[in-house]
Amino acid sequence: DTAVSQTPKYLVTQMGNDKSIKCEQNLGHDTMYWYKQDSKKFLKIMFSYNNKELIINETVPNRFSPKSPDKAHLNLHINSLELGDSAVYFCASSQVVATSQYFGPGTRLLVL
Amino acid sequence: DQQVKQNSPSLSVQEGRISILNCDYTNSMFDYFLWYKKYPAEGPTFLISISSIKDKNEDGRFTVFLNKSAKHLSLHIVPSQPGDSAVYFCAASAFGGGADGLTFGKGTHLIIQP
Repeated sequence: DTAVSQTPKYLVTQMGNDKSIKCEQNLGHDTMYWYKQDSKKFLKIMFSYNNKELIINETVPNRFSPKSPDKAHLNLHINSLELGDSAVYFCASSQVVATSQYFGPGTRLLVL
Repeated sequence: DQQVKQNSPSLSVQEGRISILNCDYTNSMFDYFLWYKKYPAEGPTFLISISSIKDKNEDGRFTVFLNKSAKHLSLHIVPSQPGDSAVYFCAASAFGGGADGLTFGKGTHLIIQP
């Protein structure tokens, strides 16, 4: 009965490949987010969706495209992976924008 | 440009004593503040929050203090327990502004010594 789940937990891939990370929340929240935690351990917002509509798109390369098929899912697709994309990606959700957010376990992406 | 700063990368406290984790912010628009706890290989877990209309919020062993004039908040854990050993992230949002998500500090690694 995990509240926010992400798959896969680990992802190792070659430069130039395209990959997707899936996120699902069963909390009935309206807003979902993607964060990136880089090698310096900084957690930075990438995107947020409210009721399937994009409301934040921070300075993220176009190679990153979030997709929200419904309120409970927010997937992250990454095209043409680069070495610098290696990081831990966290999905989160909240009932109201920017309030207490519940995080998934993270997806550790390693680009070789 | 770090808008939320946690200047202590690590803190070691004896079990049973008080742990005090500090956080400073620069953005005057922030009006909602949160603390998250993170264990290795897990996502951050929400711990406690405070709105800018308050200066203190308490939940069991955890108390958050907010000093708006100094743009400073702190998390007090008392008494500290071994299970409190984790990385603690301070986060802030301009809730009134709505759409900015959370801005996180770099975290403080709290180590509780037996």
